[in-house]
Amino acid sequence: EAGVAQSPRYKIIEKRQSVAFWCNPISGHATLYWYQQILGQGPKLLIQFQNNGVVDDSQLPKDRFSAERLKGVDSTLKIQPAKLEDSAVYLCASTWAFTDTQYFGPGTRLTVL
Amino acid sequence: KNEVEQSPQNLTAQEGEFITINCSYSVGISALHWLQQHPGGGIVSLFMLSSGKKKHGRLIATINIQEKHSSLHITASHPRDSAVYICAVSASNDMRFGAGTRLTVKP
Repeated sequence: EAGVAQSPRYKIIEKRQSVAFWCNPISGHATLYWYQQILGQGPKLLIQFQNNGVVDDSQLPKDRFSAERLKGVDSTLKIQPAKLEDSAVYLCASTWAFTDTQYFGPGTRLTVL
Repeated sequence: KNEVEQSPQNLTAQEGEFITINCSYSVGISALHWLQQHPGGGIVSLFMLSSGKKKHGRLIATINIQEKHSSLHITASHPRDSAVYICAVSASNDMRFGAGTRLTVKP
C-alpha cells in the first residue's frame, strides 16, 4: 500500500514570498490533516478535512494560510505571504475515519529567510 | 499548562536498558496515540489505544484512563530505537500533541 505522499520535501523562500505544499493521502482515506511542527515541538493541527469539507480549521492563521481539498483526494496548503516564524515542517496525515490510526507523510521542511 | 505533557524531555540510555516514557493529559479523550519520529524522517504511528495495554515486538504501551496517564516502554533497547517519541490524544474532532521525548540509545 502506498503511503502518504508530500511534495516538495524541502523549500527555502524569503519572507513575504508565497509557497504551496501538496499532499496525496492514502487511497480511500476520507480524512486528511495538515500539521505544523516547529523545531523542538510536537505537531500542531492546522486544518482537518473530511472528504472535501473542512472539519476543523480553528488553529489555521487564516490571514496568511489557506488550504483546499477540492475533489476530496489530494490537498494543497498555501502560505501567502510567509513570515520567519513559519519555518517548520509541514506534515500531512490521513485516515479512513477520525478515530483510526493516522498515517503521516514525510513532511515538507520550510525555511523562511 | 499544555494539555499533553511528556516526560522526560530527553533520555539517554545504554543499549539493552529498559526504557519508559510517560504521558499525562488533562482533557477527555477517545484515544491516545504513541508516534515515533526519526531525525529527518516522517512520523510513524506505533500505537493507538483507548484502554489497557498493547504490545508490538519490544514496545509496550499502557494507558490508565482514570489517572489520565500513559506509558511507552521499550525492552532491550537498541541504538536504532533512537528517535523522538510523541504522545498525542484524540478528543472530539481534534488531536493534541505532546512536545516529544528525544531518546538516544548508545551502543
